[in-house]
Amino acid sequence: LAKTTQPISMDSYEGQEVNITCSHNNIATNDYITWYQQFPSQGPRFIIQGYKTKVTNEVASLFIPADRKSSTLSLPRVSLSDTAVYYCLVGENNQGGKLIFGQGTELSVKP
Amino acid sequence: GAVVSQHPSWVICKSGTSVKIECRSLDFQATTMFWYRQFPKQSLMLMATSNEGSKATYEQGVEKDKFLINHASLTLSTLTVTSAHPEDSSFYICSALEHSNQPQHFGDGTRLSIL
Repeated sequence: LAKTTQPISMDSYEGQEVNITCSHNNIATNDYITWYQQFPSQGPRFIIQGYKTKVTNEVASLFIPADRKSSTLSLPRVSLSDTAVYYCLVGENNQGGKLIFGQGTELSVKP
Repeated sequence: GAVVSQHPSWVICKSGTSVKIECRSLDFQATTMFWYRQFPKQSLMLMATSNEGSKATYEQGVEKDKFLINHASLTLSTLTVTSAHPEDSSFYICSALEHSNQPQHFGDGTRLSIL
């Protein structure tokens, strides 16, 4: 399972776009990139998953360059409720789903 | 859809007792369930992987006799912390996987405090 590196923390203000980048230099050919959000005293919540290029859903976008050695989670117009820890994970979907969590990025959104 | 329920959400007990935590997939059948532990201000640590009807696979350093996992059906897995001690106090989280090519769905965790 590829190791991931993310910034430990980030600060933002309401209404701004937030981009969190994750490095995964050892990503394997069959690996997918998945992002989760976790609020205090809750389980992680799935945000988005991608393999290459760009993926967009109703809450976020995921940008993956051609070499796939990094990825960027983009949160448009954040609000105070987006304050949470964001985890980037890399692994094969057909490995039985095993996930190894890194340290995550603690995002703090200020008014 | 894809709701995972954990029970109890919070438990306090005396040192030496055993505590059972349930993890249920409410609207899907889970081929695989996972158990994680999370200490304050730290990331989730995978403890074990559980498949219905078979023995759980434990991560290195996790005592299988201490943390008993039973996955009796496609919708229920249980984690029993045996003879719990204060150092076992933690936030325990389960997740469930319906298909191997889909993301895991997590429960809301169980806060375990051992006095």
